[in-house]
Amino acid sequence: QVQLVESGGGLVKPGGSLRLSCAASGFTFSDYYMSWIRQAPGKGLQWVSYIYSSGGTIYYADSVKGRFTISRDNAQNSLYLQMNSLRAEDTAVYYCARASLDSRGYDAFDYWGQGTLVTVSS
Amino acid sequence: SYVLTQPPSMSVAPGQTARITCGGKNIGRKTVHWYQQKPGQAPVLVVYDDSDRPSGIPERFSGSNSGNTATLTISRVEAGDEADYYCQVWDSSSDHGVFGGGAKLTVL
Repeated sequence: QVQLVESGGGLVKPGGSLRLSCAASGFTFSDYYMSWIRQAPGKGLQWVSYIYSSGGTIYYADSVKGRFTISRDNAQNSLYLQMNSLRAEDTAVYYCARASLDSRGYDAFDYWGQGTLVTVSS
Repeated sequence: SYVLTQPPSMSVAPGQTARITCGGKNIGRKTVHWYQQKPGQAPVLVVYDDSDRPSGIPERFSGSNSGNTATLTISRVEAGDEADYYCQVWDSSSDHGVFGGGAKLTVL
């Protein structure tokens, strides 16, 4: 069965860095586009970043562009999010999600991990 | 940037029909997806491409999209449908994913 398991979250000071990982299993990872989506405590979902299956095309939300870097290692079935210059407003649960191949634009997310909490505070 | 607007909350009695709206400029020209999120859990895709259901999602969940409003319809509402529901599109003009603010469905 499809599994996505995030790790790497934790407490970090403003201006600090953190690297999130997402281990994928149960499907051919290299065939799928992937995304990071976050949810601040008590708030709604916010799309963060999106990467094509080859890694050749990447998109970022304006709020993280220039600070966050998405990447993937298809040989290791893993997705990453390098987060630099972290701010208090980046505090959230970060989910990795698989983009469905059934959706016309490959932009519906059919499987999500359980999320990893990132807290940015001094 | 593209904005999706959802009612913050709504309530419905068991057995009735819930219609959750998602407003956006010319949203009918976009493809809309819907997610259900229960407390402490990750979101679950319930409708994609305006009106398609992933396998395992009951037929009680359906979707439509036209003009400036997309709608998720839940027929014969059950207590287990109580959750937050989010609409989502891909804004091709900015190459950004966009979520609505979410609608909390309460089953009376």
